Order: sequence, then C-alpha cells, then structure tokens
Amino acid sequence: ETGVTQTPRHLVMGMTNKKSLKCEQHLGHNAMYWYKQSAKKPLELMFVYNFKEQTENNSVPSRFSPECPNSSHLFLHLHTLQPEDSALYLCASSRTRRTTDTQYFGPGTRLTVL
Amino acid sequence: AQTVTQSQPEMSVQEAETVTLSCTYDTSESDYYLFWYKQPPSRQMILVIRQEAYKQQNATENRFSVNFQKAAKSFSLKISDSQLGDAAMYFCAYRSLRNTPLVFGKGTRLSVIA
Repeated sequence: ETGVTQTPRHLVMGMTNKKSLKCEQHLGHNAMYWYKQSAKKPLELMFVYNFKEQTENNSVPSRFSPECPNSSHLFLHLHTLQPEDSALYLCASSRTRRTTDTQYFGPGTRLTVL
Repeated sequence: AQTVTQSQPEMSVQEAETVTLSCTYDTSESDYYLFWYKQPPSRQMILVIRQEAYKQQNATENRFSVNFQKAAKSFSLKISDSQLGDAAMYFCAYRSLRNTPLVFGKGTRLSVIA
C-alpha cells in the first residue's frame, strides 16, 4: 500500500450518467494528480492540484471536472462521457510539486463507458 | 518536447536470472530526473528507482540497478536474481527540474518464469 486510496475500483457507466471518482491520501502531501492510463498509450497527466489550487489542466475535455476540497482529497466528476474515455484513472500525490518529491500512486479506478 | 521510448513491449526472464529493460529519452535539458515505476497486476504503481542526471554514479536499490548513459540518453533497468513478484509492467519516466509533468514511456510487461 502506498497511502493513496481510490474508490470505486471499478465503474461501469452509460454515456448519460454522472459519476465521481474519489482519491484520498494519508501521507500529508500537498500536491495531488489525476492521470489517465489507456491501453497501448503512455500515462497522460490530466490535472494537478497544489495546496488545493489547480495548477495544471492538460487540455482535458470539460466532461471531466476535478475538485480538491482539501489537500487530502481529490475528486474527478464525470458526465456525458464517451466510450473512448474508458481507461484506468490513477490518482497520485507528492509532498510538493517539485520534481525531487516522489509521486505515490493509488490503485486506480477501472472505468468502462458503455 | 520530451519523449520517453521503451522499445520492448514484453520481456520474460527465468526465476533467479537477470534481465535488463531498455529506455531511451529525448530532451534538450541538462538537469532532470529519471524514474522506473513498477505496476503489478494489482495496479498500484510504485517507484522502483530514480536517478538524478547530474550524478554520474548509477543508482542501485537492492536487486534493482540502472545503467545511465547521459550522452546516449539511455536509462536501462537491470533486475538481478529475478523473483516471481517482479512480474509487472515497468514504466520508465522523465521529469525536468523545472517541475514539468512526468513523461512516461509505454511500458514493458515483464513475465517471470518459474
């Protein structure tokens, strides 16, 4: 266990549904990240939060909406997704955004969009 | 833009033997960090080893070591005395010291044969 938990572990949703992914870290970190892992593609950074403020949005479509209410929790709200959004969504955290601080990953949520 | 290439989609090794996973990267920067992450079937990605580009000495963590060739932009991972628990996807990653996002390769799936 890395100290980063994600729920749910699996999610199946229709294109018209609204759902949320949750990430929680118990490491006292101040930076949190959302990544998308698709088959045959490198991990793609989606969002970065530092001290609850969004510092990066990597051209992610608006059907993905992140929320960071505090430094320990990160959400990814999903609505009107497309089948190509099916992927493993990984959350990570680090002490700060600095390169020298290791990122610790959660187990991921396997999302299937029908 | 920085890129990371892992040319071996799959590798296999006999238990107790040694295996080397390849990684090359492209960057115009002189200071950066390189990482190897392991993602077992349980999907929780963990950091295996990291290397600071300004250090000439190759990093070592128990049975894991790297061969860092800065001029050739090569960063291979050597796993000695392979164990069944080493079976996983291995991702090579790059990050500049300007705190830009982690750039991942597509990964190498390692199988360990008993």
